[in-house]
Amino acid sequence: DTGVSQDPRHKITKRGQNVTFRCDPISEHNRLYWYRQTLGQGPEFLTYFQNEAQLEKSRLLSDRFSAERPKGSFSTLEIQRTEQGDSAMYLCASSLTSVKFFGPGTRLTVL
Amino acid sequence: AQKVTQAQTEISVVEKEDVTLDCVYETRDTTYYLFWYKQPPSGELVFLIRRNSFDEQNEISGRYSWNFQKSTSSFNFTITASQVVDSAVYFCALTFGNEKLTFGTGTRLTIIP
Repeated sequence: DTGVSQDPRHKITKRGQNVTFRCDPISEHNRLYWYRQTLGQGPEFLTYFQNEAQLEKSRLLSDRFSAERPKGSFSTLEIQRTEQGDSAMYLCASSLTSVKFFGPGTRLTVL
Repeated sequence: AQKVTQAQTEISVVEKEDVTLDCVYETRDTTYYLFWYKQPPSGELVFLIRRNSFDEQNEISGRYSWNFQKSTSSFNFTITASQVVDSAVYFCALTFGNEKLTFGTGTRLTIIP
């Protein structure tokens, strides 16, 4: 499978714990995006990378959120001190042009 | 600022009926791209079509067709002879170049057998 992959697919955690998600983009894609989607809403932009450089962060990305793409390949999104409001689907996408291809998402539930 | 509005929250039609999903957008950019994505119950967003702002030709792909009208800032999506497999949430989205996508809130389409 040469699409975008995300790991884990589901994560249940207790409030206050830290979680980390991984995204592996399509191999030749230089841009990588993170989005968050809550129930009944469209995906909301969080941040994006071109190669290893983080070019934009949404104001939705509080200080508890950090994303990295150390070698311009896979990316990680970490949430520290999780809150119940962080419960959502976290989507990763990659692109070479304006067309973004999405992964299956990581569904986070914070208890 | 960019904005995408999908006024239809939910639509239900009987199989084989035609259905149109509406999308209205706002942007100050003169060059932009419009998209439709499908999100089936499995959750993964599937790319359907991209349209750039300079190309107002309508497009048809099998049972799917898209009507782009700059004058009304609309990019509507029609499914002809709907099938149960078309049941999903459909998102319209907008971007400038390779930048972030701005999504609408989606339209949940249910095809009744």
